[in-house]
Amino acid sequence: KAGVTQTPRYLIKTRGQQVTLSCSPISGHRSVSWYQQTPGQGLQFLFEYFSETQRNKGNFPGRFSGRQFSNSRSEMNVSTLELGDSALYLCASSLQTSGSSRELFFGEGSRLTVL
Amino acid sequence: QKEVEQNSGPLSVPEGAIASLNCTYSDRGSQSFFWYRQYSGKSPELIMSIYSNGDKEDGRFTAQLNKASQYVSLLIRDSQPSDSATYLCAVAGGLYAGNNRKLIWGLGTSLAVNP
Repeated sequence: KAGVTQTPRYLIKTRGQQVTLSCSPISGHRSVSWYQQTPGQGLQFLFEYFSETQRNKGNFPGRFSGRQFSNSRSEMNVSTLELGDSALYLCASSLQTSGSSRELFFGEGSRLTVL
Repeated sequence: QKEVEQNSGPLSVPEGAIASLNCTYSDRGSQSFFWYRQYSGKSPELIMSIYSNGDKEDGRFTAQLNKASQYVSLLIRDSQPSDSATYLCAVAGGLYAGNNRKLIWGLGTSLAVNP
């Protein structure tokens, strides 16, 4: 069974640009969550989607957005990039959003560098 | 007070010893508790989940949950150098307006197992 796939794995952008990251969850998983991880801040929750609907949202500015498609694949977009957006962006999928189905399986991440 | 707290470490133990990792949480309505391991440069991977008070054992790992005292711990028996990693505690919060059982993460405890 294929794991969570994130693309691209690495990317370099400049301030003011925008970026779109993609995540394909494990087959059959309907929930996709996105996290930002930096050395000093740990895992910061961005948002969670379930069946194309945003279920939870973290405390990030509106420059960060996401969506989920009918096949459960998800994308997140960051507009007007800032230096502080440099981070590892992790996608995680789960079967559903409660109980044991809450167990998350992470992709390898997309490492974004903003120059 | 942070919602999920862990000692940042580093926790250093000799090979073969028992490593004890602790996590406290503030939301009394929390239902699900998870331990993830993250090796340097890698994404988190689920190692244990626990949903009811008491102990849950899986190989060398034991998760302990005490909802009355609002803590969850992870014991690693016969620690090996390959257990050296950061251990993240995650708690699925209660179901209430604006939360929807959001997964709350601790900052992690760094464990070093010395040969």
